[in-house]
Amino acid sequence: SQQGEEDPQALSIQEGENATMNCSYKTSINNLQWYRQNSGRGLVHLILIRSNEREKHSGRLRVTLDTSKKSSSLLITASRAADTASYFCATARGAAGNKLTFGGGTRVLVKP
Amino acid sequence: KAGVTQTPRYLIKTRGQQVTLSCSPISGHRSVSWYQQTPGQGLQFLFEYFSETQRNKGNFPGRFSGRQFSNSRSEMNVSTLELGDSALYLCASSLGQQNYQETQYFGPGTRLLVL
Repeated sequence: SQQGEEDPQALSIQEGENATMNCSYKTSINNLQWYRQNSGRGLVHLILIRSNEREKHSGRLRVTLDTSKKSSSLLITASRAADTASYFCATARGAAGNKLTFGGGTRVLVKP
Repeated sequence: KAGVTQTPRYLIKTRGQQVTLSCSPISGHRSVSWYQQTPGQGLQFLFEYFSETQRNKGNFPGRFSGRQFSNSRSEMNVSTLELGDSALYLCASSLGQQNYQETQYFGPGTRLLVL
């Protein structure tokens, strides 16, 4: 079963616009990670945010984490056509080693 | 450093056959995890190996098995293939630290089609 639910399932924006997607999860976590996947290929790691962190930045990416609401958001600023991909959140929790539980993903289309 | 590599990249099998997929982790990484991705079920954890031992296991039938070698390379095996086993199988590696706060690096995947 999937721990996370992502919203929206799909997003279509113009190049230069910002894209925001949300992830909700059900249980306490150690950390939450965001990944990108292009056309059914491997996953590319974007950001890891720990449960005691509230916000992290990496280039044009900004991730927030609200553990009281069990939710996270990923913001891509000034989007580019190359950002077209599916984005997944994944949670790691407890003593489950490196087991990641993934959300269903958000498909983002950036139109040039 | 070279990334995670998976072989083969594509595979076609028929129902009832078995298949073995291979994963070579990033040099120095001791943890290898396997995931199955399908349109219907999304990304699901299969199992994790660390130091040649299975450390975690997902909710898959016993037809799915794996192992890890002393050089951290891992294989997964699916026996008695079913049509529903058609999927992208992804391998991920990480250092294997005990604090569970580490990035996992994914390979390109093996796409398995069962006819």
